[in-house]
Amino acid sequence: AQSVTQLGSHVSVSEGALVLLRCNYSSSVPPYLFWYVQYPNQGLQLLLKYTSAATLVKGINGFEAEFKKSETSFHLTKPSAHMSDAAEYFCALSNQAGTALIFGKGTTLSVSS
Amino acid sequence: EAGVAQSPRYKIIEKRQSVAFWCNPISGHATLYWYQQILGQGPKLLIQFQNNGVVDDSQLPKDRFSAERLKGVDSTLKIQPAKLEDSAVYLCASSTGLAGEFDEQFFGPGTRLTVL
Repeated sequence: AQSVTQLGSHVSVSEGALVLLRCNYSSSVPPYLFWYVQYPNQGLQLLLKYTSAATLVKGINGFEAEFKKSETSFHLTKPSAHMSDAAEYFCALSNQAGTALIFGKGTTLSVSS
Repeated sequence: EAGVAQSPRYKIIEKRQSVAFWCNPISGHATLYWYQQILGQGPKLLIQFQNNGVVDDSQLPKDRFSAERLKGVDSTLKIQPAKLEDSAVYLCASSTGLAGEFDEQFFGPGTRLTVL
């Protein structure tokens, strides 16, 4: 069965510091992997996606993620946090184009000045 | 281009009452999803439509939940009767449904349901 595990339900960083949000997955077939961001009272917005092309994926707002098959990981990073990055982040997986997403439990990112 | 619309945004009901949510996907999108997001958890699929046909409803509690997508456009999700554990945000998403490597899902703002 496919699953997504996000390590750390809450991550706190200072403005300008490195952001690292961890995601590990389990899948019996090569997966498609995604990171979504959710701001309060809003829907989910796609940050970036891995679809079997380059293993280092660049997304919006300066975020990037690296697919590591040997570690079954897809961690999200940003070199320098901004106050506006404070939100909930979800890692998600699908094993076939056009199928529903399987989400992790989410990580809340707090950014302090 | 207009996004996915959902209404109402908030709903408070007593347990054992019924409730309905409405979703209008992005124009031309053939695939529509309903997800349930319980507080502190990630969204979980309830049902997926391709046009007006059901693709996957394996996680839909069919004794109390029902959904339809008339004419392959708008969709409604109904709960009858509601239980306390149904308190959650109900997210609607749509995608083009075209065959290909990646078919991005666009999410609506969600309906927050509170069952008292």
